[in-house]
Amino acid sequence: DIQLTQSPSFLSASVGDRVTITCRASQGIGNLLVWYQQRPGKAPNLLIDAASALESGVPSRFSGSGSGTEFTLTISSLQPEDFATYYCQHRHSYPLTFGGGTKVEIK
Amino acid sequence: EVQLVESGGDLVQPGGSLRLSCPVSGFTFSSHWMTWVRQAPGKGLEWVANINPDGAVTWYADSVKGRFTTSRDNAKNSLYLQMNSLRAEDTAVYFCARLRGTRSTFDSWGQGTLVTVSS
Repeated sequence: DIQLTQSPSFLSASVGDRVTITCRASQGIGNLLVWYQQRPGKAPNLLIDAASALESGVPSRFSGSGSGTEFTLTISSLQPEDFATYYCQHRHSYPLTFGGGTKVEIK
Repeated sequence: EVQLVESGGDLVQPGGSLRLSCPVSGFTFSSHWMTWVRQAPGKGLEWVANINPDGAVTWYADSVKGRFTTSRDNAKNSLYLQMNSLRAEDTAVYFCARLRGTRSTFDSWGQGTLVTVSS
């Protein structure tokens, strides 16, 4: 099974900060990585597919990069509505797995 | 507008059974793979099962294999999750979601339904 390790698990930041979240896969998965945002009490929301393809309607301050085993999600200028938990997920093979999540909180 | 609305969550005793439903609207259900994902209280997301458009192909997480069965009724635009031999560790909010094509990218989600396994 492919394990996904996200870091950090918790991040405290201010509005306007640049934020980077890392997701490492236990084996190479090409670009078959997806990012989701989940606000408290809500369902996850798709942000980025195929490591770097921004979903329609997602603000351009979000970007994704990486391939193989190391991936990053970057928020260029954190906005109040971005305070949430972010998850990576691979779609390389079964079983599908998610990273443990990164909670972004207001400093 | 794409809508998925889970129902059927409840308090059930260990060893018991429960069936979740997920009726959908706003898209051609019979053309899409579907999935179940769960989230234990205060924890992260865990993939549970996928099912192909005609229901003939299913995939399960090891943690639920042999106990959970996903199925669908394309005439009723509905997805189901039959959960048997429930354990305390199955306590979670269960989400249904739609896959994008044949890729396991979950592009539309329901709001979730809470299953609590406790005596």
